[in-house]
Amino acid sequence: SQQGEEDPQALSIQEGENATMNCSYKTSINNLQWYRQNSGRGLVHLILIRSNEREKHSGRLRVTLDTSKKSSSLLITASRAADTASYFCATDGGNKLVFGAGTILRVKS
Amino acid sequence: DAGVIQSPRHEVTEMGQEVTLRCKPISGHNSLFWYRQTMMRGLELLIYFNNNVPIDDSGMPEDRFSAKMPNASFSTLKIQPSEPRDSAVYFCASSWSRGAANEKLFFGSGTQLSVL
Repeated sequence: SQQGEEDPQALSIQEGENATMNCSYKTSINNLQWYRQNSGRGLVHLILIRSNEREKHSGRLRVTLDTSKKSSSLLITASRAADTASYFCATDGGNKLVFGAGTILRVKS
Repeated sequence: DAGVIQSPRHEVTEMGQEVTLRCKPISGHNSLFWYRQTMMRGLELLIYFNNNVPIDDSGMPEDRFSAKMPNASFSTLKIQPSEPRDSAVYFCASSWSRGAANEKLFFGSGTQLSVL
């Protein structure tokens, strides 16, 4: 069963706009990770945020974590066509890394 | 570093045939994971190894699936006999981790398996 659930399932925006994806999970976690998958490729790690952290930045990416609400968000600022991909959150449920169903992001140029 | 290397990239086979997928993890990593990705079920963890020892194989669908890691630089996932419902993309990933979920994973490019 999936621990994390992303929202929305799909998102279409114009280049230059910001994209926000959300992830909700059910049980307590030690860390939460975000990954990107381009079509036909493997997953690429973006950010890992630990349960005692509230926010993390990496370039144009900003991840927040609210353990009281069991939710996380991934913000991509100033999006580019190359950001078009599927984005997955993953949580450490039962000492396994469990992935959500993902958000498909399309950035139109 | 070349990253996680999987072979073959694509595999088309007929129902009942044996299929062997191969993975070479990143040198120095001590954990290796096999995932399966389908539209219906998303990404599912099949099995993971730590220091070449299988730690959790509860995700292996049935006895037709088996995985081995004879040494730190090689792992195989075998399906015998294969069935059409096994059609999916199979990913191998590796990490340097004390547990299955403490650190980031490095994924291979996957094997697209089609069972006719």
